[in-house]
Amino acid sequence: EAQVTQNPRYLITVTGKKLTVTCSQNMNHEYMSWYRQDPGLGLRQIYYSMNVEVTDKGDVPEGYKVSRKEKRNFPLILESPSPNQTSLYFCASSFSWGYNSYNEQFFGPGTRLTVL
Amino acid sequence: AQKVTQAQTEISVVEKEDVTLDCVYETRDTTYYLFWYKQPPSGELVFLIRRNSFDEQNEISGRYSWNFQKSTSSFNFTITASQVVDSAVYFCALHYNNNDMRFGAGTRLTVKP
Repeated sequence: EAQVTQNPRYLITVTGKKLTVTCSQNMNHEYMSWYRQDPGLGLRQIYYSMNVEVTDKGDVPEGYKVSRKEKRNFPLILESPSPNQTSLYFCASSFSWGYNSYNEQFFGPGTRLTVL
Repeated sequence: AQKVTQAQTEISVVEKEDVTLDCVYETRDTTYYLFWYKQPPSGELVFLIRRNSFDEQNEISGRYSWNFQKSTSSFNFTITASQVVDSAVYFCALHYNNNDMRFGAGTRLTVKP
């Protein structure tokens, strides 16, 4: 089944304890992206990747890192989480992205993160 | 600045009523895409429609219809004869600058039986 998977789905952690949220897609998509969803703010893009080894900042990259060593995986890393990073996180992927080769984004199920 | 405004935070209707969700966007780009996504209570994001800036034709899909008007920078979504299963948060989004994506804050629709 074609899908985007995220792990863990739920995570409660403490301030300063490094964590990684994994994202994997099995559709051979080039484009992957991370968003956070907060009440009243909708979804805001954190980072995106147009292809392997190519990543770029979105609207709210501070406090996050990403890497794209393989096409299928795009982990989100919080080196030193803080309470203001408590949020619902979504990973998304698309076959390609950009005006000349646009395709729909497929979203993962979400990861609810609480930082105490 | 690129911006998407969904002024209606919450809407409540009774089943079988028609309901329109408003979306107003701002962009300096002449090429852009607009989207609607549905987020049911289960939390996943479901793609509904995309429209590029050069296609102002309205679209109908079953009970769903979309009205794109560049003159007013609006891309409104209407559900005809609403059903309880339509209860969800609906997001409008703007794809601009070739790579960037901006979502509105969402409208929570509750359809009561």
